[in-house]
Amino acid sequence: DAGVIQSPRHEVTEMGQEVTLRCKPISGHNSLFWYRQTMMRGLELLIYFNNNVPIDDSGMPEDRFSAKMPNASFSTLKIQPSEPRDSAVYFCASTLQGPGANVLTFGAGSRLTVL
Amino acid sequence: AQTVTQSQPEMSVQEAETVTLSCTYDTSESNYYLFWYKQPPSRQMILVIRQEAYKQQNATENRFSVNFQKAAKSFSLKISDSQLGDTAMYFCAFMQNRDDKIIFGKGTRLHILP
Repeated sequence: DAGVIQSPRHEVTEMGQEVTLRCKPISGHNSLFWYRQTMMRGLELLIYFNNNVPIDDSGMPEDRFSAKMPNASFSTLKIQPSEPRDSAVYFCASTLQGPGANVLTFGAGSRLTVL
Repeated sequence: AQTVTQSQPEMSVQEAETVTLSCTYDTSESNYYLFWYKQPPSRQMILVIRQEAYKQQNATENRFSVNFQKAAKSFSLKISDSQLGDTAMYFCAFMQNRDDKIIFGKGTRLHILP
Protein backbone atom coordinates (compact mmCIF):
# COMPACT_ATOMS: atom_id res chain seq x y z
CA ASP A 1 0.00 0.00 0.00
CA ALA A 2 1.25 3.51 -0.79
CA GLY A 3 0.19 4.81 2.59
CA VAL A 4 -1.89 7.91 3.22
CA ILE A 5 -1.48 10.26 0.28
CA GLN A 6 -1.86 14.00 0.67
CA SER A 7 -1.74 16.75 -1.90
CA PRO A 8 -0.39 19.29 -2.40
CA ARG A 9 2.82 18.91 -0.36
CA HIS A 10 3.30 22.67 -0.37
CA GLU A 11 0.92 25.49 -1.12
CA VAL A 12 1.59 29.20 -1.09
CA THR A 13 -1.39 31.43 -1.59
CA GLU A 14 -2.56 34.93 -0.92
CA MET A 15 -4.97 35.99 1.76
CA GLY A 16 -8.56 35.64 0.64
CA GLN A 17 -7.95 32.79 -1.76
CA GLU A 18 -9.63 29.41 -1.47
CA VAL A 19 -7.42 26.50 -0.48
CA THR A 20 -8.30 22.83 -0.95
CA LEU A 21 -6.22 20.08 0.63
CA ARG A 22 -6.74 16.49 -0.44
CA CYS A 23 -6.28 13.14 1.21
CA LYS A 24 -6.48 9.53 0.11
CA PRO A 25 -6.54 7.18 3.13
CA ILE A 26 -5.21 3.65 3.24
CA SER A 27 -7.56 1.22 1.58
CA GLY A 28 -9.66 -0.63 4.16
CA HIS A 29 -9.27 1.99 6.87
CA ASN A 30 -12.59 3.21 8.22
CA SER A 31 -11.60 6.36 10.09
CA LEU A 32 -9.95 9.52 8.82
CA PHE A 33 -8.57 12.44 10.79
CA TRP A 34 -7.46 15.95 9.84
CA TYR A 35 -4.88 17.62 12.09
CA ARG A 36 -3.22 21.02 11.97
CA GLN A 37 0.32 21.50 13.31
CA THR A 38 1.79 24.84 14.34
CA MET A 39 4.68 25.74 16.60
CA MET A 40 2.41 27.51 19.05
CA ARG A 41 -0.44 25.03 19.30
CA GLY A 42 1.16 21.71 18.41
CA LEU A 43 -1.04 19.07 16.75
CA GLU A 44 -4.68 20.02 16.85
CA LEU A 45 -7.46 17.67 15.79
CA LEU A 46 -9.72 19.53 13.38
CA ILE A 47 -12.24 16.86 12.41
CA TYR A 48 -12.57 13.12 12.09
CA PHE A 49 -14.75 10.80 10.06
CA ASN A 50 -15.91 7.28 10.73
CA ASN A 51 -17.23 5.31 7.74
CA ASN A 52 -17.28 8.59 5.78
CA VAL A 53 -19.50 10.31 8.35
CA PRO A 54 -18.17 13.35 10.28
CA ILE A 55 -18.17 12.39 13.95
CA ASP A 56 -16.55 15.35 15.67
CA ASP A 57 -15.79 18.70 14.05
CA SER A 58 -15.42 20.65 17.27
CA GLY A 59 -11.81 21.39 16.42
CA MET A 60 -12.61 23.21 13.19
CA PRO A 61 -11.55 26.80 13.91
CA GLU A 62 -14.43 28.62 12.26
CA ASP A 63 -16.86 28.61 9.38
CA ARG A 64 -14.08 29.31 6.90
CA PHE A 65 -13.02 25.67 7.33
CA SER A 66 -14.98 22.78 5.90
CA ALA A 67 -14.23 19.11 5.32
CA LYS A 68 -15.88 16.42 3.27
CA MET A 69 -15.50 12.72 2.73
CA PRO A 70 -17.64 11.78 -0.25
CA ASN A 71 -16.39 8.18 -0.27
CA ALA A 72 -14.06 5.84 1.58
CA SER A 73 -11.04 6.75 -0.53
CA PHE A 74 -11.08 10.53 -0.60
CA SER A 75 -11.40 13.53 1.71
CA THR A 76 -10.92 17.26 1.32
CA LEU A 77 -10.26 20.09 3.73
CA LYS A 78 -11.21 23.48 2.36
CA ILE A 79 -10.39 26.94 3.68
CA GLN A 80 -12.34 29.83 2.19
CA PRO A 81 -11.28 32.58 2.48
CA SER A 82 -7.77 31.84 3.70
CA GLU A 83 -5.97 34.07 6.21
CA PRO A 84 -2.28 34.33 7.21
CA ARG A 85 -3.04 32.71 10.59
CA ASP A 86 -4.08 29.55 8.71
CA SER A 87 -0.44 28.98 7.77
CA ALA A 88 0.47 25.56 9.16
CA VAL A 89 1.16 21.97 8.24
CA TYR A 90 -2.05 20.03 7.74
CA PHE A 91 -1.92 16.29 8.28
CA CYS A 92 -4.38 13.66 7.23
CA ALA A 93 -4.30 10.31 9.02
CA SER A 94 -6.31 7.13 8.75
CA THR A 95 -6.84 4.03 10.84
CA LEU A 96 -8.92 0.91 11.15
CA GLN A 97 -10.95 1.37 14.31
CA GLY A 98 -11.55 -1.72 16.39
CA PRO A 99 -10.03 -4.09 18.95
CA GLY A 100 -6.31 -4.42 18.51
CA ALA A 101 -6.21 -1.73 15.85
CA ASN A 102 -6.48 2.04 16.21
CA VAL A 103 -2.97 2.91 15.09
CA LEU A 104 -2.93 6.12 13.10
CA THR A 105 -1.04 6.21 9.83
CA PHE A 106 -0.19 9.73 8.77
CA GLY A 107 0.30 11.29 5.39
CA ALA A 108 3.36 13.42 4.70
CA GLY A 109 1.44 16.62 5.41
CA SER A 110 0.56 19.69 3.38
CA ARG A 111 2.47 22.83 4.28
CA LEU A 112 0.25 25.86 3.73
CA THR A 113 1.58 29.40 3.62
CA VAL A 114 -0.91 32.22 3.36
CA LEU A 115 0.66 35.58 2.53
CA ALA B 1 -12.29 16.77 28.26
CA GLN B 2 -9.23 14.62 27.84
CA THR B 3 -5.87 16.36 27.91
CA VAL B 4 -2.32 15.22 27.27
CA THR B 5 0.58 17.09 28.84
CA GLN B 6 4.23 16.84 27.91
CA SER B 7 6.16 18.95 30.39
CA GLN B 8 9.53 18.91 28.62
CA PRO B 9 9.52 21.14 25.52
CA GLU B 10 13.10 20.25 24.63
CA MET B 11 15.84 17.84 25.74
CA SER B 12 19.38 17.00 24.72
CA VAL B 13 21.40 13.90 25.53
CA GLN B 14 24.65 12.37 24.36
CA GLU B 15 24.61 9.49 21.95
CA ALA B 16 24.38 6.07 23.68
CA GLU B 17 22.78 7.54 26.79
CA THR B 18 19.34 6.67 28.07
CA VAL B 19 16.64 9.34 28.03
CA THR B 20 13.12 9.44 29.45
CA LEU B 21 10.36 11.61 28.04
CA SER B 22 7.42 12.43 30.29
CA CYS B 23 3.72 12.38 29.51
CA THR B 24 0.69 12.74 31.72
CA TYR B 25 -2.93 12.63 30.71
CA ASP B 26 -6.30 13.30 32.20
CA THR B 27 -9.33 11.10 31.71
CA SER B 28 -12.19 9.62 33.66
CA GLU B 29 -12.33 6.59 31.40
CA SER B 30 -10.90 3.21 32.31
CA ASN B 31 -10.42 1.83 28.79
CA TYR B 32 -8.15 3.70 26.44
CA TYR B 33 -4.99 3.53 24.35
CA LEU B 34 -1.77 5.50 24.65
CA PHE B 35 0.80 6.09 21.95
CA TRP B 36 4.17 7.67 21.34
CA TYR B 37 4.80 9.07 17.87
CA LYS B 38 8.08 10.35 16.47
CA GLN B 39 8.38 13.19 13.97
CA PRO B 40 11.90 13.51 12.50
CA PRO B 41 12.95 16.56 10.47
CA SER B 42 11.35 14.91 7.41
CA ARG B 43 8.00 15.80 9.05
CA GLN B 44 6.66 12.25 8.71
CA MET B 45 4.80 11.01 11.80
CA ILE B 46 5.92 7.53 12.81
CA LEU B 47 4.43 5.30 15.50
CA VAL B 48 7.02 4.36 18.11
CA ILE B 49 5.06 2.35 20.63
CA ARG B 50 1.52 1.72 21.82
CA GLN B 51 -0.02 0.69 25.16
CA GLU B 52 -3.50 -0.55 25.94
CA ALA B 53 -4.72 0.65 29.32
CA TYR B 54 -6.11 -2.72 30.41
CA LYS B 55 -2.70 -4.32 29.98
CA GLN B 56 -0.53 -3.96 33.05
CA GLN B 57 2.65 -5.02 31.32
CA ASN B 58 4.66 -2.13 29.91
CA ALA B 59 5.06 -2.16 26.13
CA THR B 60 8.54 -2.56 24.65
CA GLU B 61 9.83 -2.15 21.10
CA ASN B 62 13.58 -2.79 20.83
CA ARG B 63 15.30 0.22 22.45
CA PHE B 64 12.00 1.90 23.24
CA SER B 65 9.97 1.10 26.33
CA VAL B 66 7.27 2.78 28.36
CA ASN B 67 6.56 3.18 32.04
CA PHE B 68 2.78 3.12 32.27
CA GLN B 69 1.43 4.17 35.65
CA LYS B 70 -2.34 4.03 35.32
CA ALA B 71 -3.21 5.35 38.77
CA ALA B 72 -0.89 8.31 38.30
CA LYS B 73 -2.05 8.76 34.67
CA SER B 74 1.54 8.78 33.54
CA PHE B 75 3.00 7.32 30.35
CA SER B 76 6.72 8.00 29.96
CA LEU B 77 8.92 6.84 27.09
CA LYS B 78 12.42 5.51 27.69
CA ILE B 79 14.93 5.39 24.88
CA SER B 80 17.94 3.23 25.64
CA ASP B 81 21.29 3.46 23.87
CA SER B 82 20.14 6.57 22.06
CA GLN B 83 21.24 7.06 18.46
CA LEU B 84 21.65 10.12 16.26
CA GLY B 85 18.65 8.96 14.25
CA ASP B 86 16.46 9.32 17.34
CA THR B 87 16.69 13.10 17.00
CA ALA B 88 13.08 14.14 16.46
CA MET B 89 9.97 15.61 17.96
CA TYR B 90 8.15 13.07 20.14
CA PHE B 91 4.41 13.23 20.70
CA CYS B 92 2.40 11.44 23.32
CA ALA B 93 -1.16 10.63 22.24
CA PHE B 94 -4.34 9.36 23.88
CA MET B 95 -7.38 7.61 22.50
CA GLN B 96 -10.36 6.58 24.55
CA ASN B 97 -12.46 3.67 23.38
CA ARG B 98 -15.70 5.55 23.75
CA ASP B 99 -15.37 8.04 20.90
CA ASP B 100 -12.18 7.04 19.09
CA LYS B 101 -10.84 10.59 19.08
CA ILE B 102 -7.04 10.69 19.25
CA ILE B 103 -5.50 13.75 20.87
CA PHE B 104 -1.83 14.69 21.10
CA GLY B 105 0.41 16.48 23.55
CA LYS B 106 2.43 19.47 22.38
CA GLY B 107 5.55 17.40 21.93
CA THR B 108 9.11 17.14 23.22
CA ARG B 109 11.94 18.05 20.89
CA LEU B 110 14.77 15.59 21.48
CA HIS B 111 18.33 16.20 20.32
CA ILE B 112 20.84 13.35 20.34
CA LEU B 113 24.34 14.82 20.42
CA PRO B 114 27.38 13.07 18.90
